[in-house]
Amino acid sequence: QVQLQESGPGLVKPSQTLSLTCTVSSGSVSNGIYYWSWIRQPAGKGLEWIGRMHPGGSTIYNPSLKSRVTISVDTSQNQFSLRLTSVTAADTAVYYCAREGSSGSGSYSPILDYWGQGAPVTVSS
Amino acid sequence: DIQMTQSPSSLSASVGDRVTLTCRASQSISTSLNWYQQKPGKAPKLLIFAASSLQSGVPSRFSGGGSGTDFTLTISTLQPEDSATYYCQQTYISPPWTFGQGTKVEI
Repeated sequence: QVQLQESGPGLVKPSQTLSLTCTVSSGSVSNGIYYWSWIRQPAGKGLEWIGRMHPGGSTIYNPSLKSRVTISVDTSQNQFSLRLTSVTAADTAVYYCAREGSSGSGSYSPILDYWGQGAPVTVSS
Repeated sequence: DIQMTQSPSSLSASVGDRVTLTCRASQSISTSLNWYQQKPGKAPKLLIFAASSLQSGVPSRFSGGGSGTDFTLTISTLQPEDSATYYCQQTYISPPWTFGQGTKVEI
């Protein structure tokens, strides 16, 4: 059973950079059939897809965050990371890492099938 | 981006009831629609993929339907453990994937 675990500071000052790491166990981030994703959820609100990375290096980000976000993979540590620059209070949220795979029903049918438990991050001075 | 709209935003029902949640896409997305269940303080859990396929391990009282722009999630016989917020997610062609705002189901 694949497990994902987020880690990183729970408090970030405005204008600084939010950095989170997701450690994957019982699975490999190098497996080319999966994408590694970040999603966030402000308190009491819905889910926002941040972006994903393929171990081959390709990334896609949400256009609303594209200028500030970087997702990277460290295959040696079996981890992937999120960096979000120039944060404001609007970036306060629970941040989830997740694995995107295909449901296997013929053509690529994306599903977020494994999630971390979530890392709460507050942006405040 | 494709916008997803869920209705109602919340509902209250009794154990044993049949409940149907609705999700509408701002453009046709074929059957590229997933449903997730989220309980307080927990990560979302995949219930339904490709609009109508049940994820392994999910009880058969959950079912999904629809195509194009209009989709439904039905719980045939509501159980106490089904109290949660349910989100739809579109995965049509290429990211960014987008979610609906959620429907909170109270028992």
